[in-house]
Amino acid sequence: AQSVAQPEDQVNVAEGNPLTVKCTYSVSGNPYLFWYVQYPNRGLQFLLKYITGDNLVKGSYGFEAEFNKSQTSFHLKKPSALVSDSALYFCAVRDSRGGGADGLTFGKGTHLIIQP
Amino acid sequence: KAGVTQTPRYLIKTRGQQVTLSCSPISGHRSVSWYQQTPGQGLQFLFEYFSETQRNKGNFPGRFSGRQFSNSRSEMNVSTLELGDSALYLCASSLIAGGLRGDTQYFGPGTRLTVL
Repeated sequence: AQSVAQPEDQVNVAEGNPLTVKCTYSVSGNPYLFWYVQYPNRGLQFLLKYITGDNLVKGSYGFEAEFNKSQTSFHLKKPSALVSDSALYFCAVRDSRGGGADGLTFGKGTHLIIQP
Repeated sequence: KAGVTQTPRYLIKTRGQQVTLSCSPISGHRSVSWYQQTPGQGLQFLFEYFSETQRNKGNFPGRFSGRQFSNSRSEMNVSTLELGDSALYLCASSLIAGGLRGDTQYFGPGTRLTVL
């Protein structure tokens, strides 16, 4: 079985400060890890993913994420937050075992609020 | 390239009715997945289709069904609607079967279904 945990319902950051949104996962095989962002009344927008290789993954809009196998984590980061980054962020995992046929499993989501 | 499109965007039905939602994937994408998003349960995997074949299905009752056509367009059907079926239904497309090599799923804007 595959699972994802986002321990924080909400993260508040002042504009210009660095931000981190936390994610931990559990899979049987190797993980395929994804971050998506959702704005109000919109679908999910892909930010970045980790498949294999470098542990630091760079994505859209200045976001990056660090894969840590020993801690089974995939935290989303940005060096300097913008007010426009305020949105709902989802971490998702897919187990490579079994050809990943189980679909993406999402965390509950973290509301990111950037204060001017 | 045009993104994933879903029709209709909003739908209001009454209990006991049935509904069909449509999804057109990104051109060239052969895999379509469906997800249900509710405030209580979050994002849950419904099913995935690749080359007109259902690869897997999430933990949903048989009232939820889907199909994929030869042009990769997909429809999902919910019969005998219940109040709890009110949700945002999201469609996602990927080049190949989503679990293979961690292929990215790109989401449409969703169909907001309200059951009265």
